[in-house]
Amino acid sequence: AQSVAQPEDQVNVAEGNPLTVKCTYSVSGNPYLFWYVQYPNRGLQFLLKYITGDNLVKGSYGFEAEFNKSQTSFHLKKPSALVSDSALYFCAVRFQSGGYQKVTFGIGTKLQVIP
Amino acid sequence: DTGVSQNPRHKITKRGQNVTFRCDPISEHNRLYWYRQTLGQGPEFLTYFQNEAQLEKSRLLSDRFSAERPKGSFSTLEIQRTEQGDSAMYLCASSLGSSGGAGELFFGEGSRLTVL
Repeated sequence: AQSVAQPEDQVNVAEGNPLTVKCTYSVSGNPYLFWYVQYPNRGLQFLLKYITGDNLVKGSYGFEAEFNKSQTSFHLKKPSALVSDSALYFCAVRFQSGGYQKVTFGIGTKLQVIP
Repeated sequence: DTGVSQNPRHKITKRGQNVTFRCDPISEHNRLYWYRQTLGQGPEFLTYFQNEAQLEKSRLLSDRFSAERPKGSFSTLEIQRTEQGDSAMYLCASSLGSSGGAGELFFGEGSRLTVL
């Protein structure tokens, strides 16, 4: 089955430190991978995506993600965390199924940046 | 603001009542998705439209759920005879896509349903 896994329910990091939010995927063929962020009582906002090409993709708010095909991972990273980065982060994969494009989300990782 | 708009933002209803949610996507987007999200979970796919055609429905979408997208513009999601288990955030998203495309989804703020 096509899926993504986010192994950590919560990640705590001190403000100013680098952060990593993990995501692994299971998709046949070439994956289209995404990260979204959700603030309390809000909809999801797109951060970045990997389609093809450079394994390191840069996105909004200083976030970046590294695609690793051998490890089937797409971890989200930021060099220096801000308190305002505290939110729920979702990894997602887009794949072809039955002739249609489907998007499946992970269960989310809560990021807590501690002042 | 020309983003995805959802109404109402919050609906409280009694068990057994019918509710309808509306989604207005970004105007040039041809694809529209409905997801359901419960606390501590990621969004779960419900159904998907390309223009006015409903192309796929999840097994999560029981017979009490129906969605439409007349004329390929706004969409409605109706839940009949609501049950307490229907309590969730209902998210609408749209995207601009073509065959094989990988456009990102643009989400609305969601419609929170509470069934008493």
